[in-house]
Order: sequence, then structure tokens, then C-alpha cells
Amino acid sequence: QVQLQQSGPGLVRPSQTLSLTCAISGDTVSSNSAGWNWIRQSPSRGLEWLGRTYYRSQWYNEYAISVKSRVVINPDTSKNQFSLQLNSVTPEDTAVYYCTRDVDFQHWGQGTLVTVSS
Amino acid sequence: QTVVTQEPSLTVSPGGTVTLTCASSTGAVISACFPNWLQQKPGQAPRSLIYSAANKHSWTPARFSGSLLGGKAVLTLSGVQPEDEAEYFCLLHCGGSWVFGGGTKLTVL
Repeated sequence: QVQLQQSGPGLVRPSQTLSLTCAISGDTVSSNSAGWNWIRQSPSRGLEWLGRTYYRSQWYNEYAISVKSRVVINPDTSKNQFSLQLNSVTPEDTAVYYCTRDVDFQHWGQGTLVTVSS
Repeated sequence: QTVVTQEPSLTVSPGGTVTLTCASSTGAVISACFPNWLQQKPGQAPRSLIYSAANKHSWTPARFSGSLLGGKAVLTLSGVQPEDEAEYFCLLHCGGSWVFGGGTKLTVL
């Protein structure tokens, strides 16, 4: 059974970097059939896909245009997890952040409310 | 940037049938867009109902079905129940990234 466990701070100061981690059990981040995604949801922006990392003989990343200049998603094969870094955050980045696997979007992390505030 | 369009709101009577659609600004939605449908109720995380256009999860009620029709992804609810009142989001990967639709708020009245 695939499980995704998120970790990371719930409060980030403006202009700082938001960092979250998603630990995977029951699958591997190096799977040749899965993509590992970060999604967020806020009242003002709705559901927003941020990006994903996936392995198909080599590592690939895809990022949403809206955050492409500020986002990095990295796999960590040694810990079987992947991470989200969002730089230069503003209060507009306040949202619930989810990690999920896109084989069928069946498995989601528990969600992390991240507030950007001084 | 791809824009995915859904009906903002729909109303259906209990026991009725309703069709939700999902269109892409890049052109016809095809199976290679891997259409997904998610349901979200207030205060809850989104939950996947349909993946790859028409595939159901073990928890997806039989009254929900997904298809491709007329260049769009379609979610059909037949025999709607009061507990189906929720927001429904489609999610497409047509052009190099996943993109959410704006959601359809379904009212059962």
C-alpha cells in the first residue's frame, strides 16, 4: 500500500524559501511508471499543480509556468522521498500543499498548511 | 499556458443524471491527456474518482463514469445521490504539464 508522508514547517517568512518533503512507502521514487507531484490549494488560486519529478532511465522535471522561476523539485533516492523548494515566497503562496503520485492520483500526502507571514 | 475549462456550477435533482465536461485550450482532449476527475467536499482533501479518462478506483461508486466525447473529457453521474454534492475538478496532462480545471460546483437539489 502506497503511503506519502509530508513534513516541513507551517510558517515561512516573506522572501524566504518554502521547503517540504514527501516520504514514500510502498513504492519507489525511481519508479519507471510514476511521477511525483506537488499540488497546492488556496481560496484565491484554487487547486494548482506546481510540478513533478519522474524517472524514465534518467530524471526529468516539469514545472508550472506560474512558479517555474522559483520552484525546484528534487528526488532523494537514498531516502526514497522527494522535496519541494519554493523561493522568494509572498503571502500569495499561503496554501495547503499536497504531494501525490500521478499513476492514478490515488495516493496523497496528508496536506500541509503553509502560511507566509512575518 | 494551457487553460482547462469546466462548467462553474451545475444543479441536479436527486436520482437524476448530470454531465460535467472538461475542455482544453490546446485542442481536443484525448486519452493521451490522461484525464482525471477528482471530488472535493468542504473541509476535505481532493479525492480521485476517475483516472485515465474512464478508469475507476475501488471506492468509486458505480454511478460515476468517465469518457471522452466531442473533444472533451466527460464525467457522468447517473442516479445522483445527495452525498454527491461537492466540487469536481478535472486534471489533464495534454502538453507537458498537469493542469487543473477551475472546478464544477455540483448542487443536488
